[in-house]
Amino acid sequence: DAGVTQSPTHLIKTRGQQVTLRCSPKSGHDTVSWYQQALGQGPQFIFQYYEEEERQRGNFPDRFSGHQFPNYSSELNVNALLLGDSALYLCASSLVGLRDSYNEQFFGPGTRLTVL
Amino acid sequence: GQQVMQIPQYQHVQEGEDFTTYCNSSTTLSNIQWYKQRPGGHPVFLIQLVKSGEVKKQKRLTFQFGEAKKNSSLHITATQTTDVGTYFCAGPRGSQGNLIFGKGTKLSVKP
Repeated sequence: DAGVTQSPTHLIKTRGQQVTLRCSPKSGHDTVSWYQQALGQGPQFIFQYYEEEERQRGNFPDRFSGHQFPNYSSELNVNALLLGDSALYLCASSLVGLRDSYNEQFFGPGTRLTVL
Repeated sequence: GQQVMQIPQYQHVQEGEDFTTYCNSSTTLSNIQWYKQRPGGHPVFLIQLVKSGEVKKQKRLTFQFGEAKKNSSLHITATQTTDVGTYFCAGPRGSQGNLIFGKGTKLSVKP
């Protein structure tokens, strides 16, 4: 049973560029959440996707966008990169039915993004 | 806005000593979750507490949820070098399911 996978592992970009990060959820999970974790901080919620739609969004600018595919995998896109976007980007999957539930989230290994 | 705070930020202990980290929320939580992140790793779910005053144990780890469901603690008895890492508490944001994480407590254990 594969856990949450993310690609790439590391990425180096320059200011102004665009980046796409990918995530495959744990088998059987239908919901994907994205978090940004700056060095020495706790993860901060970016957004959550369920049934191919953005279900919830944290306090992040529109430069951050995402997508969920029919197979539940997801992408995080960041446009016009800033130095401050350098962080570990974590994908977490969970199983959320029609009624909100607060099940544990399974985190992937993350993508370390460095913006120069 | 809703906040989750953790203290201390860092804790250095000698192997065999006990360790406790405290978590406080600005709002009442429906549940609280604890995660452990090893150096260079990703957060790994430890436990979820739901009931007021709930206490759960996992071997040397004891988790407690406050009566008012606004605070929680994690206590490790007789720490080992394998306990090294950052411990995060996290609570759901309002009625939504996404999590607000504390800044974590980084535990180092000297052998």
